[in-house]
Amino acid sequence: EIVMTQSPGTLSVSPGETATLSCRASQSVRSNLAWYQHKPGQAPRLLIYGVSTRATGIPARFSGSGSGTEFTLTINSLQSEDFADYYCQQYYNWPPWTFGQGTKVEVK
Amino acid sequence: QAQLQESGPGLVKPSQTLSLTCTVSGASVSSGSYYWGWIRKPAGKGLEWIGRISHSGSTNYNPSLRSRVTLSLDTSRDQFSLKLTSVTAADTAVYFCAREEASPGLYNYGMDVWGQGITVTVSS
Repeated sequence: EIVMTQSPGTLSVSPGETATLSCRASQSVRSNLAWYQHKPGQAPRLLIYGVSTRATGIPARFSGSGSGTEFTLTINSLQSEDFADYYCQQYYNWPPWTFGQGTKVEVK
Repeated sequence: QAQLQESGPGLVKPSQTLSLTCTVSGASVSSGSYYWGWIRKPAGKGLEWIGRISHSGSTNYNPSLRSRVTLSLDTSRDQFSLKLTSVTAADTAVYFCAREEASPGLYNYGMDVWGQGITVTVSS
């Protein structure tokens, strides 16, 4: 099973600033990586798939990068609605698909 | 636009079977482009992938749950279901159903539609 490790666990950022979230895989997942946003009580939302492709309707301030085992989600000009939990997920080696433990982006 | 909605009991007794259904609207579970999956989130923990089922009924399960999980498809009702046997308190979680757009070996566009989730508590 591929273990996904996200850092930091919590990121404190002021509105309008940039948030940089990291995700590391225990072995290469090539480009088979997605990012999700989750707010309590809501459905998780697909942000990015294939490392860097934004899902339908996702604003351009969200961007993904990386390859192999190291990946980054960058959120530029943080808006109030962006404060949430973020999860990376690999879909290269299964079963199972695996998620990181999450990064909470909170207001500084 | 596709929507998914989980339903089922919110309370299950230990050792019993957890049964949930996901109703799909705006899409068909018979579509060959999609898998239909279940993911859960225990309180204070991250997301855990449970398994998925294809339009043809083929299934993939998380090895850690395989002995207790069964997924099924009802194409006539555009529903898919999860059964988890011999539950314990460790199975207490919010359960989500989700659609995954993928074709093995060709592409995977991630889980693009999710239900709101249903809280299931295992307790006597």
